Amino acid sequence: GAVVSQHPSWVICKSGTSVKIECRSLDFQATTMFWYRQFPKQSLMLMATSNEGSKATYEQGVEKDKFLINHASLTLSTLTVTSAHPEDSSFYICSARLWTGIDEQYFGPGTRLTVT
Amino acid sequence: GEDVEQSLFLSVREGDSSVINCTYTDSSSTYLYWYKQEPGAGLQLLTYIFSNMDMKQDQRLTVLLNKKDKHLSLRIADTQTGDSAIYFCAERGTDKLIFGTGTRLQVFP
Repeated sequence: GAVVSQHPSWVICKSGTSVKIECRSLDFQATTMFWYRQFPKQSLMLMATSNEGSKATYEQGVEKDKFLINHASLTLSTLTVTSAHPEDSSFYICSARLWTGIDEQYFGPGTRLTVT
Repeated sequence: GEDVEQSLFLSVREGDSSVINCTYTDSSSTYLYWYKQEPGAGLQLLTYIFSNMDMKQDQRLTVLLNKKDKHLSLRIADTQTGDSAIYFCAERGTDKLIFGTGTRLQVFP
């Protein structure tokens, strides 16, 4: 149990276009999901906290108009990178929170975005 | 502030024990976690420990917590080649996880 999927697993897009990444909790409901960015050989940087039915909470320095987050249901959150630039190229990972008596996060497999 | 640090690299021989260390600064953290990340993949929760515990054992994994020194360690017994990965410790900050810098574990035969 506690499986999280991401789609697509990798995507290549041209500068100026927008890309949508989906994060789904397959066998549990998640009122809270998280979006992280990971640069090569570095740790995870939390970008935003996605709450079902309300606006996402963005970390300092993350542009909310560039990284649009929608958490429309208890099993789906989407991250849209708008007007993508090469510096947006990165590995994006989502996680879904599951309360089991403690705060557990289950991670998706990640999406590799390359902007040309 | 919230800052979690780990050594960057560890190399061990197959069958030996691995010990990965982590230091954190937020003494109010209630839980501390260990995650494993294989190349090109997301993170897998390995184990966690409550801040009021000193030790937790789960099969080949042993977690030690020294709250006074804010030091956390993960010991992997009988390390196998399949254990090669990046290991992240994480502390639970204010409604979010703060990840360490990650330790790359390489297991050689």
